[in-house]
Amino acid sequence: EADIYQTPRYLVIGTGKKITLECSQTMGHDKMYWYQQDPGMELHLIHYSYGVNSTEKGDLSSESTVSRIRTEHFPLTLESARPSHTSQYLCASSFPLGGVSGYTFGSGTRLTVV
Amino acid sequence: QQPVQSPQAVILREGEDAVINCSSSKALYSVHWYRQKHGEAPVFLMILLKGGEQKGHEKISASFNEKKQQSSLYLTASQLSYSGTYFCGTETHGGSQGNLIFGKGTKLSVKP
Repeated sequence: EADIYQTPRYLVIGTGKKITLECSQTMGHDKMYWYQQDPGMELHLIHYSYGVNSTEKGDLSSESTVSRIRTEHFPLTLESARPSHTSQYLCASSFPLGGVSGYTFGSGTRLTVV
Repeated sequence: QQPVQSPQAVILREGEDAVINCSSSKALYSVHWYRQKHGEAPVFLMILLKGGEQKGHEKISASFNEKKQQSSLYLTASQLSYSGTYFCGTETHGGSQGNLIFGKGTKLSVKP
């Protein structure tokens, strides 16, 4: 069973639309992340959070924004979608002391902007 | 800074062994290894902390050379189920300040 949930699984949307990708986890993890991955390619960190009301930008510049109002919820928003945003978005979470556990990834959202 | 993985791709026959390397130019706190099958999310395999330890999980093991900032993943007697892309992820800080930066991945194909 999945402990981290992403919705929707697939999304096709027109240019200029506002979208929110949902991510929720039931493990009580403080740390959460958003990665962007093109098919067969590497994972790029775009946002992360250390806990409630904490959000930071990752290494890859992104036009998206995130919020962390509740521990279990870490949504990602694109105010105005463009074809260049077409990609897979993976949400992940971990315990702060990462020495004993790795990241748990959600199944991802495959976004296509037409 | 992104870790460097090698090789980029490996093709094996069932039962053969493989080694995947991951190196960084920065001092590392930890190295993670993940496997991602086509169309699926990455799955955590193991984590190695600075200290040069070696870990194992069935026929998959890994080592971390702290002096060289290098980790190697060893797959022995490979099975068809081992096919996928293997990513190493590195942290330069531990605890609440650490974030994983992933390498470009190594695509492993195991043939019957």
